[in-house]
Amino acid sequence: DSGVTQTPKHLITATGQRVTLRCSPRSGDLSVYWYQQSLDQGLQFLIQYYNGEERAKGNILERFSAQQFPDLHSELNLSSLELGDSALYFCASSASLGEFGYTFGSGTRLTVV
Amino acid sequence: QQQVKQSPQSLIVQKGGISIINCAYENTAFDYFPWYQQFPGKGPALLIAIRPDVSEKKEGRFTISFNKSAKQFSLHIMDSQPGDSATYFCAARGILAKNDMRFGAGTRLTVKP
Repeated sequence: DSGVTQTPKHLITATGQRVTLRCSPRSGDLSVYWYQQSLDQGLQFLIQYYNGEERAKGNILERFSAQQFPDLHSELNLSSLELGDSALYFCASSASLGEFGYTFGSGTRLTVV
Repeated sequence: QQQVKQSPQSLIVQKGGISIINCAYENTAFDYFPWYQQFPGKGPALLIAIRPDVSEKKEGRFTISFNKSAKQFSLHIMDSQPGDSATYFCAARGILAKNDMRFGAGTRLTVKP
């Protein structure tokens, strides 16, 4: 167990729907990162939060949004889902900005049908 | 967007052999080069990392070689074991944006018994 908890592990939903993915960072970690991993693709950075504030945005679609709550857990909201959004979504955490290495959760596998 | 290019996409090695995975980056604005190991159904886990002021780092059977002038770095797995079968990602972290971690596309390693 890496200490980063992601729920749910699997999610199947229809096109056009909206889902919320949840991430609890490792105890003491202030920074949360979201990544998307499509089939046979690398890890695409979506967004980062540090202590409740958005710090960086990557290739995140406008249909996607995220937030980090006062207890430091984070949620990634995906709306108007398309078939192409089917992927593994990983959350990672680190103790501070720029800390060497991230700790990844086990991911949420999203299937859009 | 700066890329980290990783090769090969897949690799099959016999037990006891040496596995070599290569990565190259396109600019010099990176200051930390980690490698992550991902088993099926799990998130990536930090395996080993190197700073650009060092040409080689070894941890057990895993060695990173770094060539700053060529902007290349590689992972060598000595005495490869079936348990090493996983997907390996190289990454590079931006100097100016410490939260900017770029990942390679991944290499799927299979070690045959």
